Amino acid sequence: KNEVEQSPQNLTAQEGEFITINCSYSVGISALHWLQQHPGGGIVSLFMLSSGKKKHGRLIATINIQEKHSSLHITASHPRDSAVYICAGASNTGNQFYFGTGTSLTVIP
Amino acid sequence: DAGITQSPRHKVTETGTPVTLRCHQTENHRYMYWYRQDPGHGLRLIHYSYGVKDTDKGEVSDGYSVSRSKTEDFLLTLESATSSQTSVYFCAISEERGNTEAFFGQGTRLTVV
Repeated sequence: KNEVEQSPQNLTAQEGEFITINCSYSVGISALHWLQQHPGGGIVSLFMLSSGKKKHGRLIATINIQEKHSSLHITASHPRDSAVYICAGASNTGNQFYFGTGTSLTVIP
Repeated sequence: DAGITQSPRHKVTETGTPVTLRCHQTENHRYMYWYRQDPGHGLRLIHYSYGVKDTDKGEVSDGYSVSRSKTEDFLLTLESATSSQTSVYFCAISEERGNTEAFFGQGTRLTVV
């Protein structure tokens, strides 16, 4: 079992829809990261959060420490949001990240 | 964008040959990481470094070695490449461990034939 689980694995949405990607973790972490990877591209850090909620443009990330769960929301989705979204927990006992396997998002015009 | 550069970006090599990938940063961050990304596995840690000449193994370190002779460079070497090492390799940096932002390179696509 992976330390970090994401759902769904694949997601197709119509442009304009509200999107939610979920992440659950089973290990102790000091922070949770949301990353974005476009096809054939590099990895970009979207958010790092250890509590509460953060917002950047149309993206919102939340975390519930007690439930060991985080969500990434995209409002008014756009085809340029099509990418793989990865959540990663920063280990609080060592120098590494625990990665989910990613959610592949396709937004159709 | 954080100053982190991987080279080469693409490489095709033959089984049994040595290969070295380079990660260069201009951020003066203490921690540097090498990951491989494979379908169905996500990113997996190969090795990491917490300072010059200070390195440690990750979960998939067999067949790989690393070196960090200066803060800005972290080298990943495949001593004798195998087809199972065909993958996309990402370097990452962070200022401190854990609760700090991580920055990733653009990746190196390595094919071992």
